[in-house]
Amino acid sequence: KQEVTQIPAALSVPEGENLVLNCSFTDSAIYNLQWFRQDPGKGLTSLLLIQSSQREQTSGRLNASLDKSSGRSTLYIAASQPGDSATYLCAVPNAGGTSYGKLTFGQGTILTVHP
Amino acid sequence: NAGVTQTPKFQVLKTGQSMTLQCAQDMNHEYMSWYRQDPGMGLRLIHYSVGAGITDQGEVPNGYNVSRSTTEDFPLRLLSAAPSQTSVYFCASSRQGPGNQPQHFGDGTRLSIL
Repeated sequence: KQEVTQIPAALSVPEGENLVLNCSFTDSAIYNLQWFRQDPGKGLTSLLLIQSSQREQTSGRLNASLDKSSGRSTLYIAASQPGDSATYLCAVPNAGGTSYGKLTFGQGTILTVHP
Repeated sequence: NAGVTQTPKFQVLKTGQSMTLQCAQDMNHEYMSWYRQDPGMGLRLIHYSVGAGITDQGEVPNGYNVSRSTTEDFPLRLLSAAPSQTSVYFCASSRQGPGNQPQHFGDGTRLSIL
């Protein structure tokens, strides 16, 4: 059974810092890895999707990397801003499943960026 | 620009009552799914559908029913609510499944069972 772990569980940083969020998964037979953002009381917003054949994806100040063989992904946030404060979740489709597989989520990292 | 719409946003039920959580998407997505989010447990898949008329069970399907009569709608039914079903419920959709596509989520329904 696929298990997804996110470290740290919570992170508090001053504005302007560069930071790294970590995600690990137990079964490397994945189709992709997805990073989401969740604001309090809201649903999840997709940030980045890295296909299993890719090593990196970038969107603005966000950069996600994927090392399938070691079962790890990192989300790098450059020049953090108070508006980045949210819970960040990673998720992978069911290992060995079809394109309609089931997403397994990590527990999330709660990020707080202080002005 | 509606995306995925969930209703109601909040609901309080008594044990044993039934209700339907509504989910609608206007993006012509084939794949739709329901998750529940609980503290310390993360998001867990309840049921999913790969198209109209096709549904399947997820990780925690007991106590919930679904049907998919149209591409747009994917309602989740609680037949006899139990306190263990107190949770935040999210509906998600994508053009194809999560093996290919990022998921689009609604804002959730916060459900309390007394």
